Amino acid sequence: GAGVSQTPSNKVTEKGKYVELRCDPISGHTALYWYRQSLGQGPEFLIYFQGTGAADDSGLPNDRFFAVRPEGSVSTLKIQRTERGDSAVYLCASSSTGGGTEAFFGQGTRLTVV
Amino acid sequence: AQSVTQLGSHVSVSEGALVLLRCNYSSSVPPYLFWYVQYPNQGLQLLLKYTSAATLVKGINGFEAEFKKSETSFHLTKPSAHMSDAAEYFCAVSASGGSYIPTFGRGTSLIVHP
Repeated sequence: GAGVSQTPSNKVTEKGKYVELRCDPISGHTALYWYRQSLGQGPEFLIYFQGTGAADDSGLPNDRFFAVRPEGSVSTLKIQRTERGDSAVYLCASSSTGGGTEAFFGQGTRLTVV
Repeated sequence: AQSVTQLGSHVSVSEGALVLLRCNYSSSVPPYLFWYVQYPNQGLQLLLKYTSAATLVKGINGFEAEFKKSETSFHLTKPSAHMSDAAEYFCAVSASGGSYIPTFGRGTSLIVHP
């Protein structure tokens, strides 16, 4: 596709369950970012991939959160033992090289933990 | 470390009036600066970016921003507001000191009155 694609667009899960959020970046983009956006707030950085490796995961809030990008394209954000406080919109972005080039965002996955 | 401060969580203008959205940044090294717009239930869309070329940057939809190093500012302006400009606007900074990971402000909601 032409842009960053995120699936699902909406996810409702019960507290304690495991969820996976998928991001399909723009073809050829080596840099991929995950952000979390709560209501009325700006995007909060979670993790940054350069190629297949996590170059910076300092934004992950705790060890319940994990992300992978095994082939350097599609990425999956995984959340274990979900809590109500995990409810937010999870945004994925990609850029051609990182290094100050602009990031292109997907439409996000709205996660609701009930 | 890098950070962004957006003054004013809400800005209200009349249609046809000047739009001014404020952004101040903090970075220990020369930054890249971005303005993004987010319409309801959509992802972030790039309006414009500063990458150390011209200090006055023109973007889409008639918006522009001026980089002022002495004031550490990158305010967004538009001479005449249109109803369709109503949205959330985010300023972001990216620099080598932060591995070029974009850091976002909290956002400013632009309200346009007829």
